[in-house]
Amino acid sequence: GEDVEQSLFLSVREGDSSVINCTYTDSSSTYLYWYKQEPGAGLQLLTYIFSNMDMKQDQRLTVLLNKKDKHLSLRIADTQTGDSAIYFCAERWNSGAGSYQLTFGKGTKLSVIP
Amino acid sequence: DTEVTQTPKHLVMGMTNKKSLKCEQHMGHRAMYWYKQKAKKPPELMFVYSYEKLSINESVPSRFSPECPNSSLLNLHLHALQPEDSALYLCASSQDHGQENTEAFFGQGTRLTVV
Repeated sequence: GEDVEQSLFLSVREGDSSVINCTYTDSSSTYLYWYKQEPGAGLQLLTYIFSNMDMKQDQRLTVLLNKKDKHLSLRIADTQTGDSAIYFCAERWNSGAGSYQLTFGKGTKLSVIP
Repeated sequence: DTEVTQTPKHLVMGMTNKKSLKCEQHMGHRAMYWYKQKAKKPPELMFVYSYEKLSINESVPSRFSPECPNSSLLNLHLHALQPEDSALYLCASSQDHGQENTEAFFGQGTRLTVV
């Protein structure tokens, strides 16, 4: 749970698909999460995936997990202007003594061009 | 109901003031968290309460004092803060801090400005 990396910016046209990528380092990570944060707001949990899955789909959102490469992606289909926000990848890892913590990436700012 | 409610939404305080941030959830979650988020940065964990007991303190200065009066409430008492403590303070809760498969839900945050 030491390091989660994300690209900082992504710009797409309305209606196109967005793909936000994330890499993590802790092979013992059990759950990986995607959060959305709009300006001045808190974090909204979008979706999560368990480490023994390789794909999860939820309406316009598709999460892909490559556990071997420790690579996670979030695909947003038919991206809308309301999807403009910062997207954080987070890994849940065992911090010892029966407790778990979240480590966040730096966030990817998604800008949707009308 | 997956709501975590934080009050106030905005707070401006002087360096000699004492104030408190409040957080409430009614999802029956037994783990509650305080995070600090500076502009353009990810959230950083400050404290974790598990079953109303402080289980993690990430070396936070004593001018921040958490309190968990009951399983639904979490406070953060502030005293003698510095301007660099200005940030968005986020509260979160999850069903159990010691379980693998648990989602963490965040509140909307308190935007704190120390003058």
